[in-house]
Amino acid sequence: EDKVVQSPLSLVVHEGDTVTLNCSYEVTNFRSLLWYKQEKKAPTFLFMLTSSGIEKKSGRLSSILDKKELFSILNITATQTGDSAVYLCAVSSNTGKLIFGQGTTLQVKP
Amino acid sequence: DGGITQSPKYLFRKEGQNVTLSCEQNLNHDAMYWYRQDPGQGLRLIYYSQIVNDFQKGDIAEGYSVSREKKESFPLTVTSAQKNPTAFYLCASSASSGTSGRLLAKNIQYFGAGTRLSVL
Repeated sequence: EDKVVQSPLSLVVHEGDTVTLNCSYEVTNFRSLLWYKQEKKAPTFLFMLTSSGIEKKSGRLSSILDKKELFSILNITATQTGDSAVYLCAVSSNTGKLIFGQGTTLQVKP
Repeated sequence: DGGITQSPKYLFRKEGQNVTLSCEQNLNHDAMYWYRQDPGQGLRLIYYSQIVNDFQKGDIAEGYSVSREKKESFPLTVTSAQKNPTAFYLCASSASSGTSGRLLAKNIQYFGAGTRLSVL
């Protein structure tokens, strides 16, 4: 059965800290891995990763995929209170559907 | 503004009642999806539609029904057969559900703001 596992499930840090969120997967016929940020309501798209070893970067957020070891990490540097959210990892297979992990709840304290 | 609109934001269901959640998109996307989100469980797929007048069951379709009569609309009905309907429901759409290399970017799903359903 296809599955996506995120860790940790929750995390509390202080402003300015750097955090690393993990996503491991076992998905047949992997196509891509996506990261979303969910603040209260609609998840918003962050990154799509398809190739191993190529870092995607947007401001203080970056992500990388390791297709050999079947995992991805999402890094957030110099965290701010506005980074507080649930971060969702999802993997797509050749079915076109997304399989989501449980999410990591990040709380950034001032 | 282009986007996905879900309504209502909050919905209450009485026992034995069917309720319908609305999802409309003006992104001209072919594919649409319904997810259920429970605390600590991430998002689970209820139904999806890759094209008008066609839809497929997801992982937890029992107790739900959908229709896709128009490209921009994908309503979800929570029937009385769904014994535990209390959850946050999210609708999403993507330009395509294709999985070949050049279509992957069109596979990105964009989400509405959700409907929170509770049982009275």
